[in-house]
Amino acid sequence: GENVEQHPSTLSVQEGDSAVIKCTYSDSASNYFPWYKQELGKGPQLIIDIRSNVGEKKDQRIAVTLNKTAKHFSLHITETQPEDSAVYFCAASIPNAGGTSYGKLTFGQGTILTVHP
Amino acid sequence: GAGVSQSPRYKVAKRGQDVALRCDPISGHVSLFWYQQALGQGPEFLTYFQNEAQLDKSGLPSDRFFAERPEGSVSTLKIQRTQQEDSAVYLCASSLTSGRGEQFFGPGTRLTVL
Repeated sequence: GENVEQHPSTLSVQEGDSAVIKCTYSDSASNYFPWYKQELGKGPQLIIDIRSNVGEKKDQRIAVTLNKTAKHFSLHITETQPEDSAVYFCAASIPNAGGTSYGKLTFGQGTILTVHP
Repeated sequence: GAGVSQSPRYKVAKRGQDVALRCDPISGHVSLFWYQQALGQGPEFLTYFQNEAQLDKSGLPSDRFFAERPEGSVSTLKIQRTQQEDSAVYLCASSLTSGRGEQFFGPGTRLTVL
């Protein structure tokens, strides 16, 4: 099955700096890559996603890049703020055997991001 | 608009007890997922429903785990004869469509088995 590796496990930055989190996946059939932010005691919240037919996507301070050849994708947060502090998860979804997909996600292990004021 | 809700938020069970965890998805959402999240780990897939049909239960760790969604809305995850290794946060997510929609997660139920 799909395996998703995420690095680093912890990341500490100063407010205003950029933060980058990287993930690799094993199954070349994966076609959907969301990123989730999870705050303490809450469920994961989608912050950005990218599909396999796109190489980059940006939403204000957040961007995601995808390299299908190398099977890795990255989250970039610019101008970090203390409220960005949370656990971030990458995930990948692969199609079913018939080529369709119902969206089952395989998650990375998570990155604890701390933004110091 | 209400999001995905789960109850109870916290559950403490003695080893060997049965528990039932409830998920109320966003109204009209076709897809419903259950995930298990161990402390310090990412969520792991347990099972998937499309309306009332359970199409994938490949992630259920043992036959002590059972899930249902009889009317295609509310879902219940039942764990029989709980073990200490069942201690985790159980997350429910729903999606409007099957396959290409964003998954909205509930707050989870934290299960502690003593």
